[in-house]
Amino acid sequence: EVQLVESGGGLIQPGGSLRLSCAASGFTLSGHSMSWVRQAPGQAPECVAHISNTNGVMYDADAVKGRFTISRDDAKNSLYLQMNSLRVEDTAVYYCARGAGTGAWLVDNWGQGTLVTVSS
Amino acid sequence: EIVLTQSPGTLSLSPGERATLSCRASQSVGKNYLAWFQQKPGQAPRLLIFDASSRATGIPDRFTGSGSGTNFTLTISRLEPEDFAVFYCQQYATSPRTFGRGTKLEMK
Repeated sequence: EVQLVESGGGLIQPGGSLRLSCAASGFTLSGHSMSWVRQAPGQAPECVAHISNTNGVMYDADAVKGRFTISRDDAKNSLYLQMNSLRVEDTAVYYCARGAGTGAWLVDNWGQGTLVTVSS
Repeated sequence: EIVLTQSPGTLSLSPGERATLSCRASQSVGKNYLAWFQQKPGQAPRLLIFDASSRATGIPDRFTGSGSGTNFTLTISRLEPEDFAVFYCQQYATSPRTFGRGTKLEMK
């Protein structure tokens, strides 16, 4: 069974940094691209970043470019999102999602998410 | 950026009825790379349909996706009580990947 478990969220002041982690199990991480998707309260999901299984990266949201960094460690079955210079508008549940393996940027399985609250 | 417009915003139906949800794209979605997700309160979204019309693993055949280009539809043939949720369409053909604002399917 595919399992994705996020951690690292919490309450942080504007301008601060957080590092989110996603522990993957039930599948071979090295065979899949991965994404981070966030969802602000009461809003639709928003794709944040994508990393291929060969470490090619894409940042969907212009608002996070230069502030967020996606990375992976296949040996540790883990995905990461380093978030710097956090803003109030970054407040959201952050989901780790697995690439579907179709060659496109589709995600299929999602974790349960970790809440990031940016507030003074 | 491809903007996805979903309609209606809210759909009120009873179990056993047929639901038709629409997703319109501001420009053609390449290769019909259009997905539908279902989200229940407090849960992560669940993939239902990908490539506009392919059912994801384990999704019942009462869920059908159709359409191409800029107009896409999700049809639920006979609603079950567990189907009531928010549904999002998403395009994954072009960066940035974008979602629609969702259709809330509520029980009448």
